[in-house]
Amino acid sequence: EPEVTQTPSHQVTQMGQEVILRCVPISNHLYFYWYRQILGQKVEFLVSFYNNEISEKSEIFDDQFSVERPDGSNFTLKIRSTKLEDSAMYFCASGGGGNTQYFGPGTRLTVL
Amino acid sequence: AQSVAQPEDQVNVAEGNPLTVKCTYSVSGNPYLFWYVQYPNRGLQFLLKYITGDNLVKGSYGFEAEFNKSQTSFHLKKPSALVSDSALYFCAVRPWGAAGNKLTFGGGTRVLVKP
Repeated sequence: EPEVTQTPSHQVTQMGQEVILRCVPISNHLYFYWYRQILGQKVEFLVSFYNNEISEKSEIFDDQFSVERPDGSNFTLKIRSTKLEDSAMYFCASGGGGNTQYFGPGTRLTVL
Repeated sequence: AQSVAQPEDQVNVAEGNPLTVKCTYSVSGNPYLFWYVQYPNRGLQFLLKYITGDNLVKGSYGFEAEFNKSQTSFHLKKPSALVSDSALYFCAVRPWGAAGNKLTFGGGTRVLVKP
């Protein structure tokens, strides 16, 4: 069964550094998403991406964040200058034009 | 704005007993409703969804959920819980409409099934 994959599983970085989180969505899906879950809190929407552009973003998704689909398979989330409060589990999800979003296993980002 | 409430942080149930995890929602218009499960160190795994039609929807691993429009609820149920059902369960909603709409999640309910 096709799955969403994410790399790395755990990323440790210093405050102020740039990080890129990578995702490979399910191959025939059209809609791509990033969510995050700060420890002990709700899963929060960050951004959705369709037809090579952002379709919606939350207030969390400020100028420090960007997304890209550099080729036909990868979907990346970049944080330009990480802050302590960016420490969270980041989930990528994809959807095929139906209504269900399928999530990857997540990348745990730790900002020191 | 849409929102989801899961009023119980944790539900404890004995193996073999019925399991219910509660969820209420608020959304403009008709809802699309989802349940996801998260096992330790794993991602969110889709269990089931309500889009339209029969109010009782069946999903993976013997789970089912009942949509109640008047009570704006979508409670998850399993007739006979297993120890392996112990996990974190999330209810989510999105408004009816474009497929790319974001999901809004509840805070999650931890289920502990004791042998």
